[in-house]
Amino acid sequence: EVQLVESGGGLVKPGGSLRLSCVASGFTFSSYSMNWVRQAPGKGLEWVSSITSSGSVTYYADAVKGRFTMSRDNARNVMYLEMNSLRAEDTAMYYCARELLGASLFDSWGQGTLVTVSS
Amino acid sequence: QSALTQEASVSGTVGQKVTLSCIGNSNNIGYYAVGWYQQISHGAPKTVMFGNSLPSGIPDRFSGSKSGTTASLTIWGLQPEDEADYYCSTWDYSLSVQVFGGGTKLTVL
Repeated sequence: EVQLVESGGGLVKPGGSLRLSCVASGFTFSSYSMNWVRQAPGKGLEWVSSITSSGSVTYYADAVKGRFTMSRDNARNVMYLEMNSLRAEDTAMYYCARELLGASLFDSWGQGTLVTVSS
Repeated sequence: QSALTQEASVSGTVGQKVTLSCIGNSNNIGYYAVGWYQQISHGAPKTVMFGNSLPSGIPDRFSGSKSGTTASLTIWGLQPEDEADYYCSTWDYSLSVQVFGGGTKLTVL
């Protein structure tokens, strides 16, 4: 069974940093591109970033480019989202999602981890 | 403003057929398959359709289609448990980003 478990969320002050993790199990992690998707309170889903299976290529939404860095460790079946210069508008539930092979479609989701940016 | 346009709300009665639409352009829906994601009471999203393929465990009351730059999710024989927010999403090759619709709130009357 595919499982994605996020962690690392919490309360952080504006300008602060946080690192989210997503641990994968039940599938060959190194074969899949992975994504982060977030949802601000009362808002819709917003794509944040993606990383190819090897980790060699990453993509970012304009809203986070230059502040967030996505990476992965295929030996440990985990991916990360390093978030710097956090703003109030980054407050959201962050989900990791597995991408269907070569299709830019998400077939599995984690339960999410909540990030709150507030002074 | 979302890159993909969805109805804000749709409603239907139990047993009815409803169709949700997702309008994009030639750089996204016109080029790539579309995923549909169900979210109940702001819980974790769940994939109910990718392209026109049904994920394992999703009832065959759900079907997906695409015509040009518009994708559709049809639910046949609507059930109370289908009440949720539904989002469409795909890749946009001109922007090199994944785009989402604003979501449709489906109410089962």
